[in-house]
Amino acid sequence: EAAVTQSPRNKVTVTGGNVTLSCRQTNSHNYMYWYRQDTGHGLRLIHYSYGAGNLQIGDVPDGYKATRTTQEDFFLLLELASPSQTSLYFCASSQGTLYFGSGTRLTVL
Amino acid sequence: QEKVQQSPESLIVPEGAMVSLNCSFSDSASQSIWWYQQHPGKGPKALISIFSNGNKKEGRLTVYLNRASLHVSLHIKDSQPSDSAVYLCAVPSNTGYQNFYFGKGTSLTVIP
Repeated sequence: EAAVTQSPRNKVTVTGGNVTLSCRQTNSHNYMYWYRQDTGHGLRLIHYSYGAGNLQIGDVPDGYKATRTTQEDFFLLLELASPSQTSLYFCASSQGTLYFGSGTRLTVL
Repeated sequence: QEKVQQSPESLIVPEGAMVSLNCSFSDSASQSIWWYQQHPGKGPKALISIFSNGNKKEGRLTVYLNRASLHVSLHIKDSQPSDSAVYLCAVPSNTGYQNFYFGKGTSLTVIP
């Protein structure tokens, strides 16, 4: 069974704070993605990568950085968090079918 | 403009009912269109996909695709309380990378 693990499960920070969300996949998939899910908007793509060291921008990249350090690990960085980034974040890996993690709920106060 | 629109937004049915979910899209790459199921507190999970026009059946699920009318539907036969979830339609992007546009979802509640 394909596995994508996200951490932390929940995170609370203040406006202007630094946040790193982590994602690890054990699927040997080339593609990895970061999405945010908000009521009224559905799932929206922030950044994606097709291999270690590669990064591509998605549809809502402003305020986010990402880094793919290995085939398995993909990180999402919020360097100056804002309340508008309060959301449910999902990481996924893919080799055709998307496999999602369980999500990280981020609250920016 | 939303690239993927789903209807209805929510649906409440009695156990055993046939459920029909709809998805309209503005454009798509020539790849499979997917339906995902998302239970509360969980990530979406791939349910069924379809590539060619027509229908595809897997167990209690049937999906219909008409690319000319830009429409795909999911039908769940003999619905169960465990089917209660949000159903997401995912349409492949035609921007050249392996990405999908998602609809906002249909929330299904099956009452025992």
